[in-house]
Amino acid sequence: EPEVTQTPSHQVTQMGQEVILRCVPISNHLYFYWYRQILGQKVEFLVSFYNNEISEKSEIFDDQFSVERPDGSNFTLKIRSTKLEDSAMYFCASSKVVGQTYSGANVLTFGAGSRLTVL
Amino acid sequence: GQQVMQIPQYQHVQEGEDFTTYCNSSTTLSNIQWYKQRPGGHPVFLIQLVKSGEVKKQKRLTFQFGEAKKNSSLHITATQTTDVGTYFCAGTNFGNEKLTFGTGTRLTIIP
Repeated sequence: EPEVTQTPSHQVTQMGQEVILRCVPISNHLYFYWYRQILGQKVEFLVSFYNNEISEKSEIFDDQFSVERPDGSNFTLKIRSTKLEDSAMYFCASSKVVGQTYSGANVLTFGAGSRLTVL
Repeated sequence: GQQVMQIPQYQHVQEGEDFTTYCNSSTTLSNIQWYKQRPGGHPVFLIQLVKSGEVKKQKRLTFQFGEAKKNSSLHITATQTTDVGTYFCAGTNFGNEKLTFGTGTRLTIIP
């Protein structure tokens, strides 16, 4: 079964350092997402990406965050200067199609996540 | 912005008992999805409901989408230890690809 792969599985960094989280979405998927989950809390939307540009972002996704698809397979999330409150599990997800009411639209396949610990 | 709430937040049930989680959205949804997250794992897609009033079953799991497309429920009959995890509903607004997750219900099973 196709899967979304994420690296690293765990990253520990000092406050103020830059972090890049990497994801390889499913090859025939067109829509890519980053979500984050603070321990024990809900899964929060950060950003969606389609056709090489951000299509939507949340209020969490401020100027410290950026996403990039540097080649045909990778999708990265960069946090420029990490803060303690950025500590969370970051999930990458991809979707084949998006739309409105037809079955299969917006169904996400998640990666296993990258746990970020900011000290 | 859109909010999706779930109740209860936690549920502890004896193995073999039934379990239900309820999901309510502040806005009308184009579709609702349910995901399961095992402890230490990632969300895994269970099912998608698209039509008003739709009911779908997967073995012991029954999913329902409300008539107004603003609420949904997941019912598990005769829970087993493998049902342990957090169940999230997630909704999409019309013309939008963003999936907004509910607050989740964590299910623990007492053997």
